[in-house]
Amino acid sequence: GNSVTQMEGPVTLSEEAFLTINCTYTATGYPSLFWYVQYPGEGLQLLLKATKADDKGSNKGFEATYRKETTSFHLEKGSVQVSDSAVYFCALRARGGSNYKLTFGKGTLLTVNP
Amino acid sequence: DAGVTQSPTHLIKTRGQQVTLRCSPKSGHDTVSWYQQALGQGPQFIFQYYEEEERQRGNFPDRFSGHQFPNYSSELNVNALLLGDSALYLCASSWGTEAFFGQGTRLTVV
Repeated sequence: GNSVTQMEGPVTLSEEAFLTINCTYTATGYPSLFWYVQYPGEGLQLLLKATKADDKGSNKGFEATYRKETTSFHLEKGSVQVSDSAVYFCALRARGGSNYKLTFGKGTLLTVNP
Repeated sequence: DAGVTQSPTHLIKTRGQQVTLRCSPKSGHDTVSWYQQALGQGPQFIFQYYEEEERQRGNFPDRFSGHQFPNYSSELNVNALLLGDSALYLCASSWGTEAFFGQGTRLTVV
């Protein structure tokens, strides 16, 4: 079946540090890939997405590139801020048939200190 | 635009009871999905409703059921509650590929 594996957290960084959160997936075919962010006490917000190989999704300084050869979609940001502290979820949606659901990783808690 | 709204925000129930959670989708969205998020875990897909029919279902027992109304709003019902049903229940609405999530209902079963 389809699955998503994220790097275990928590991740603690200082402000302006470089962020990488690793995400790899298993799926039949070529799924669409997503990063969602969950701030404390809130629901999930879509951060960025990519729908085909070599696509780069980007938003608010975050980037992730769909790598088919390594089945990866790592999240990066060049300079994190305290306001980026949240839980980040990598997710996929398989293509075709009756596949409408999102499959999520376990999430990675990011804490950014001033 | 109010976005996806869920009610109630918090709920405490006793084992064996039944619960109904409600979701109003984002304006213009015709599809509603429900997810269960246990503490420290990623959301798990329960089911999706489209045109008032259950279109896809995840690995959840029949105690979990749902409904979608003509105005696209939706309910999630859970019967015979277990302690393990304690979780954040998230509703997501969509029209096309992008899903928008509500803030969730925190259910505690005691």
